[in-house]
Amino acid sequence: QVQLVQSGAEVKKPGSSVKVSCEASGGTFRGTFSTFKITWVRQAPGQGLEWMGGIIPIFGTPNYAQKFQGRVTITADESTTTAYLEVRSLRSEDTAVYYCAREAPISGAFDIWGHGTIVIVSS
Amino acid sequence: DIQMTQSPSSLSASVGDRVTITCQASQDINNSLNWYQQKPGKAPKLLIYDAYTLQTGVPSRFSGSGSGTDFTFTISSLQPEDIGTYYCQQFDNLRQITFGGGTKVEIK
Repeated sequence: QVQLVQSGAEVKKPGSSVKVSCEASGGTFRGTFSTFKITWVRQAPGQGLEWMGGIIPIFGTPNYAQKFQGRVTITADESTTTAYLEVRSLRSEDTAVYYCAREAPISGAFDIWGHGTIVIVSS
Repeated sequence: DIQMTQSPSSLSASVGDRVTITCQASQDINNSLNWYQQKPGKAPKLLIYDAYTLQTGVPSRFSGSGSGTDFTFTISSLQPEDIGTYYCQQFDNLRQITFGGGTKVEIK
């Protein structure tokens, strides 16, 4: 079964960092991991969806939403078919569910989603 | 960045009703518009891509139309399992992505 498996919930202090992982599993998907874009989307409690950025593992160069430039790093490890999202200088407004998703190359549609990782930022 | 204005923000309709949601882009995006359904506590699910193409396995009562700046998402006959929040999403030629604000659909 093709799926994206994300790491578990995190509770962090303001000013700290968090790194969330997203592993691709399922035969064909693992074999094509490097060529599909993995993107990150977050959703604050009771709010809508917010795109953060993405990466095509084989190219290795991510693109980011302007809002997150400089505070977020997206990476990918082809050997483990895992993508990562690191958010630094956490503040309470970063409390959200963070989703990874596979982006279809032409349509830009997110056709496979991870289950989400809850990150709570609280003192 | 391209802004997406989605309306209404919520609606309540009866089972069997036709439901329509609109999304307006702040500039021409051709047909680079996708629609998602999200149920509480779950990840979004892709329903429509490229403005009108039904994702594999999605019921045919869902449809999309439009191009340029104005897009419409329709549920031809609302079913109880359709409750949730619906989002439009665009991507531009710089691969910058934005979502609409969402439409919460409830059963009357």
